[in-house]
Amino acid sequence: DVKVTQSSRYLVKRTGEKVFLECVQDMDHENMFWYRQDPGLGLRLIYFSYDVKMKEKGDIPEGYSVSREKKERFSLILESASTNQTSMYLCASSPPDSNTEAFFGQGTRLTVV
Amino acid sequence: GEDVEQSLFLSVREGDSSVINCTYTDSSSTYLYWYKQEPGAGLQLLTYIFSNMDMKQDQRLTVLLNKKDKHLSLRIADTQTGDSAIYFCAENGDTGRRALTFGSGTRLQVQP
Repeated sequence: DVKVTQSSRYLVKRTGEKVFLECVQDMDHENMFWYRQDPGLGLRLIYFSYDVKMKEKGDIPEGYSVSREKKERFSLILESASTNQTSMYLCASSPPDSNTEAFFGQGTRLTVV
Repeated sequence: GEDVEQSLFLSVREGDSSVINCTYTDSSSTYLYWYKQEPGAGLQLLTYIFSNMDMKQDQRLTVLLNKKDKHLSLRIADTQTGDSAIYFCAENGDTGRRALTFGSGTRLQVQP
């Protein structure tokens, strides 16, 4: 059974904190993605990676960075959390062929207070 | 850039058919997808259609694609309360990004 696992379901952080969201996949996929989901806005792509140590900006990268040191792990970093980063964060992975299915983790609901 | 649009909410009675609509702008999309998100969960692929097809049927699900109008629809026959979820339309037009572009999601509420 394919699996994308996000380290936390719920997180509460203070404004200004550095926040790490972790994602691990066990399917040996090359592509990994971070999206944020907000009501009425759907999923917006923050960053993606198509290989170890490679990263590309998505549509809303400001205030975020990522790390891909190992193929199975893709981390999203909020350098200094702000209240407008309160959201649901979804990690996904897919094999190299861009026409194939993306597999999603269960999501991390982050609240910044 | 690409844009995918959906209505935000649909309410139907149990046993009725549901039709969820989506429009997209990127004519280079080769695949179009429907994902389902149940409460508190991530997204699961429900079905997809290749862009050279007009229709795809899979049990209670029927996907219709009008490529000329860039319109995609998902019909759920005999809708059940377990179908209550958010349904996302997605397309893969920008293959350089290898990432799907998603619509805003349609929340389907099924009344008993």
